[in-house]
Order: sequence, then structure tokens, then C-alpha cells
Amino acid sequence: ETGVTQSPTHLIKTRGQQVTLRCSSQSGHNTVSWYQQALGQGPQFIFQYYREEENGRGNFPPRFSGLQFPNYSSELNVNALELDDSALYLCASRRGPMNTGELFFGEGSRLTVL
Amino acid sequence: QQQVKQSPQSLIVQKGGISIINCAYENTAFDYFPWYQQFPGKGPALLIAIRPDVSEKKEGRFTISFNKSAKQFSLHIMDSQPGDSATYFCAASNTGNQFYFGTGTSLTVIP
Repeated sequence: ETGVTQSPTHLIKTRGQQVTLRCSSQSGHNTVSWYQQALGQGPQFIFQYYREEENGRGNFPPRFSGLQFPNYSSELNVNALELDDSALYLCASRRGPMNTGELFFGEGSRLTVL
Repeated sequence: QQQVKQSPQSLIVQKGGISIINCAYENTAFDYFPWYQQFPGKGPALLIAIRPDVSEKKEGRFTISFNKSAKQFSLHIMDSQPGDSATYFCAASNTGNQFYFGTGTSLTVIP
């Protein structure tokens, strides 16, 4: 069983640039959510995708956007990067949006904004 | 507003001792309370979880105690080992919605 994989693992951008992060969900999982984890903090929910539609969003501005593809993989896009966007971005998958069972996390993409 | 409050921020325990981490929540709609363990450079991994219809759940050396009336839950690690040194996050969720995580507890187990 393949786990959640994310790419890239590390990247450095400058303020104002745009970034795309990618996630492949665990086999059999059709729901993907994205979390931002600032240094020394717990993960903060960005949004969730189910069947290619966003079906939940946390307190993040519209410059954070996403996509889910038919194979359930997902992308997180962040426009007009700000210094505070520097964080570990975690992708998590599960079997369905109404399933409150285990979230399976990837190892994350570490974004540094200079 | 922090939906889940976690304490302590850091914890140092001798090998063989008991590690206790506490969390509190406000939203009574939460119906799932997991604990995640995170090692440096890795994503969080589920350790143990409980639903509010039981007051305690034990899996090996790990126990969750849940107090519905006080809206509190805690993680107890018995016979703590150096390999348990990691950051622990409590979380809460209600059906179909986002997970709210605590701010984390950095546990160090001294040999």
C-alpha cells in the first residue's frame, strides 16, 4: 500500500512569487486535505477536496487555492507569497469526507519565503 | 481562537517514567479525538484515538483518558522510552469537518 507522497520536499521562493505543491493520496483514499504547519505550531487546516471539489476551507485567504484530479492526487497553489507563508505544508488523505477515521499524512513540503 | 488547547509545551521524563500530556476543547460537537506523533522531518502519524462515548482507551503503553463533562482529554505514556522522544499533538474533529490540532508537546525521554 503506497502512502501519501508529496513533492517537492524543500523549496525556496521570494516574496511575491507563486508556488505549486503536489500530493499523491494513499491508495483507496478519495479525500485530500492540506494543512500548514508553522515552526513550533500544530497543523492548521487550509482546505479539503473530495471528488475534485473543495468541500471545506479553513481561515486562509483566496490566494491559497487547490485542485484535485480524477486520480485523487492534489495540488496546493499559493500566489503572491508572503514571508509568513514560510512553513511545512502537509497533505493528508482519508477514505471519505465524512469518515472521521485516521488522517494519513505525507512528510510535507518545506517552503521558505525570502 | 485556539479550538484545542494543549499543555505542557515541553516535557522531560526519565526512561521508565510516565509522560502525561493534556488537552482541552470547547466545541461540544467534536466527536473524534486523536493523538498524533511527529518525528523531526516527518509528517504526523496517528498514535491512538478516542470517541466521546468511552472514558478511556488503552493501546499498549499509550492510554487516552477522556472527560466529557470537563471537555478535557489526556495522553498517558507508560514506561516511557527514548524512542518515544517526539512531538505529540492532540486534535479534535466532528464528522466530515476539519481537524483542529493543539500546539504540540515536545517530549524528551532521558535514558
